[in-house]
Amino acid sequence: DAGITQSPRHKVTETGTPVTLRCHQTENHRYMYWYRQDPGHGLRLIHYSYGVKDTDKGEVSDGYSVSRSKTEDFLLTLESATSSQTSVYFCAISTASLNEQFFGPGTRLTVL
Amino acid sequence: QQQVKQSPQSLIVQKGGIPIINCAYENTAFDYFPWYQQFPGKGPALLIAIRPDVSEKKEGRFTISFNKSAKQFSLHIMDSQPGDSATYFCAASLNEKLTFGTGTRLTIIP
Repeated sequence: DAGITQSPRHKVTETGTPVTLRCHQTENHRYMYWYRQDPGHGLRLIHYSYGVKDTDKGEVSDGYSVSRSKTEDFLLTLESATSSQTSVYFCAISTASLNEQFFGPGTRLTVL
Repeated sequence: QQQVKQSPQSLIVQKGGIPIINCAYENTAFDYFPWYQQFPGKGPALLIAIRPDVSEKKEGRFTISFNKSAKQFSLHIMDSQPGDSATYFCAASLNEKLTFGTGTRLTIIP
């Protein structure tokens, strides 16, 4: 998994509650990404980061925010979770070649 | 707007056969085309990738064929095995961001 861990691995929460997912890498890569995976949609980019405190929006960023205060950690926050955010969330990092992305094990989030 | 279209959605092939998964893209600025393999409960794993200045790339039993003029690329798996049963995603890269196809669930039957 290219030194990538995600926590928690599973979470069930209720509509309207805040949720934070954490991605941690051990190899000091500059680029980090958050994707969601849903049946019929493949993987869709939510937000990405190109350095500490440098982040940008992806294709499906509405309802999500991110923070990166340290190189090794990239946090994804759902300020007020909705049922449409039930999904599997993957974190990824880019190696030095930038185009090669490696994925973490995923977090399964269920919003009731 | 779906910039990378992948087909088929699912595919069943007998052991030893050659499954072929196809992808088409729209944006000619894409500069890198990887394929990912995903097993249930796991994250996608980079399988093989190609750049648009190359028409074919082989790594073991996996081959990418790339047709720049048609804006299409495909994955071929030679001598397929039951262990190749997984979901496969094509992707296209631009400015350090990947756009993924919707995936193909491949089943190899003994």
